[in-house]
Amino acid sequence: DAGVTQSPTHLIKTRGQHVTLRCSPISGHKSVSWYQQVLGQGPQFIFQYYEKEERGRGNFPDRFSARQFPNYSSELNVNALLLGDSALYLCASSLDPGIWTNYGYTFGSGTRLTVV
Amino acid sequence: SQQGEEDPQALSIQEGENATMNCSYKTSINNLQWYRQNSGRGLVHLILIRSNEREKHSGRLRVTLDTSKKSSSLLITASRAADTASYFCAPDRGSTLGRLYFGRGTQLTVWP
Repeated sequence: DAGVTQSPTHLIKTRGQHVTLRCSPISGHKSVSWYQQVLGQGPQFIFQYYEKEERGRGNFPDRFSARQFPNYSSELNVNALLLGDSALYLCASSLDPGIWTNYGYTFGSGTRLTVV
Repeated sequence: SQQGEEDPQALSIQEGENATMNCSYKTSINNLQWYRQNSGRGLVHLILIRSNEREKHSGRLRVTLDTSKKSSSLLITASRAADTASYFCAPDRGSTLGRLYFGRGTQLTVWP
């Protein structure tokens, strides 16, 4: 089975531009979460979507938005990019956020965004 | 703060030695998870320990949890060079709908 897939793997954008990052969860997983990891820091929670509804949002500005599609894939959109948005963006999927197994979350390899 | 704080920030050992990393947190939890991250890559789930468990094993990994002290430890026995990575703990309150709050992690370097 394919794991969590993210695209693109690397991206370079200019300040002020818009970016869309994509994530496909493991087949059967209905929950997708997004994290931002700045160099030298741990991942910071941005959004969680479950059954196409936003279930949680971290402390990020309104420039960040996301959505989940009927096939449970997800997009993260960032408008008006700032240099500080340069980071590794990680997507994680799970069966159901409210039911814990022994398997935690499955993360993708991330999208490395560089804003110049 | 709901995040875990890992200690030490960096750990350097020789192959074959044991590596111990600690995690402290401030809130009550439903479970605590440990993840590994190889340089610039995604996180890999290692082990989940529930609040009513005190110790859990998985291969060369041993995790303990002390809810009275709000702390956890991850022990990697007989370390290998391939264990070189950053390790993160993520305490989960159970009511946060799957959000994980990570600290800065412990950077483990295992020398051949």
